[in-house]
Amino acid sequence: AQSVSQHNHHVILSEAASLELGCNYSYGGTVNLFWYVQYPGQHLQLLLKYFSGDPLVKGIKGFEAEFIKSKFSFNLRKPSVQWSDTAEYFCAVNAGSSASKIIFGSGTRLSIRP
Amino acid sequence: DTAVSQTPKYLVTQMGNDKSIKCEQNLGHDTMYWYKQDSKKFLKIMFSYNNKELIINETVPNRFSPKSPDKAHLNLHINSLELGDSAVYFCASSSGTGGRNTEAFFGQGTRLTVV
Repeated sequence: AQSVSQHNHHVILSEAASLELGCNYSYGGTVNLFWYVQYPGQHLQLLLKYFSGDPLVKGIKGFEAEFIKSKFSFNLRKPSVQWSDTAEYFCAVNAGSSASKIIFGSGTRLSIRP
Repeated sequence: DTAVSQTPKYLVTQMGNDKSIKCEQNLGHDTMYWYKQDSKKFLKIMFSYNNKELIINETVPNRFSPKSPDKAHLNLHINSLELGDSAVYFCASSSGTGGRNTEAFFGQGTRLTVV
């Protein structure tokens, strides 16, 4: 069965620090990968997605993620975080061309100190 | 315009009651979902409908019954509410199933509190 692991449960950074959130998935075939963000009290919004092509994907708000197939990873990065990036971040995977659901990781809470 | 809208946003009710949450999407999508987010923020899929047909039912108690009167609506009815049902329920939609079609758009969530 597909699964998604986010090993960082809570990350605390100062403003302007660089960010990398880990995401690993378990599935050997074709995958579609997503990062969603949930700001406090709000719904999930798509940050970025990978379907195929260039493994380095750029999203909104200066975020990017790199798909490394050999490592089954899709880590999220941002070179310089802001206080407004404080939120819960979810990695998600949809495996296979006909799979009909997205499986989410357990989420990483990001707290930014002003 | 809100793409995926859920009502109500907050719902507080007593154990044993029956309640419904409504969801509507105006994106023209074929597929709709219900997710449950527990107190630890873990998101778990409950149901998925494609063109009004149930395609995913993730071992959810049969007290939960989804209903899709048309492609744009997926409602969730819960019978005999229990304390453990307290959570945030998110409705989502995608253009279809498989591959790029599964990019999901989420509603604002319904915070259900059972007392």
